[in-house]
Amino acid sequence: QSVLTQPPSVSGAPGQRVTISCTGSSSNIGAGYDVHWYQQLPGTAPKLLIYGNSNRPSGVPDRFSGSKSGTSASLAITGLQAEDEADYYCQSYDSSLKVFGGGTKLTVL
Amino acid sequence: EVQLVESGGGLVKPGGSLRLSCAASGFTFSSYSMNWVRQAPGKGLEWVSSISSSSSYIYYADSVKGRFTISRDNAKNSLYLQMNSLRAEDTAVYYCASPRRGSGYYLPFDYWGQGTLVTVSS
Repeated sequence: QSVLTQPPSVSGAPGQRVTISCTGSSSNIGAGYDVHWYQQLPGTAPKLLIYGNSNRPSGVPDRFSGSKSGTSASLAITGLQAEDEADYYCQSYDSSLKVFGGGTKLTVL
Repeated sequence: EVQLVESGGGLVKPGGSLRLSCAASGFTFSSYSMNWVRQAPGKGLEWVSSISSSSSYIYYADSVKGRFTISRDNAKNSLYLQMNSLRAEDTAVYYCASPRRGSGYYLPFDYWGQGTLVTVSS
């Protein structure tokens, strides 16, 4: 059972907008810790998608955006494309530990 | 170009030991904190351990504390994970990961290696 809760799966048609939630508690996200998001394409290593709640590394399209409020964070993907089909993970901190969400599989219909 | 290359994975019996290595290049290794993250087959990501740039600060996940030891050799640009008393549930791909800048603890995993598979089975 992950400390951060994500929906196991989400789906959307090409061009649509989808959001992935990451729900924590007062000991992690609610304590003010940053949330980072990673994308993992099948058979590859994870890739940093969003850092510090809402910042995009160089090279990440602006179709990807992150936000945080209270004890939760969200990843939004607009203009969904076939190549966005992947697993997505949120990551934060809980006391001195680094914690991941359980992951969300995004299916592009 | 930043490169992280893990090695040392393989098949080991329960109760056995294994030492993973991560060779870093393309950045000033001695200035950055480093991490190990693992992923069991078909499962999600799990943070394993972190070490500060000078090895002064070391952290472990509860699931490996007392069995795994993280270390680094800044002269060799290398990160290590000594894994003892291995269990079936330690079976996973092990990634080394680093931030893009800084040696702090609360930094994202900007760079990842390709991973090395550890299988614990009799």
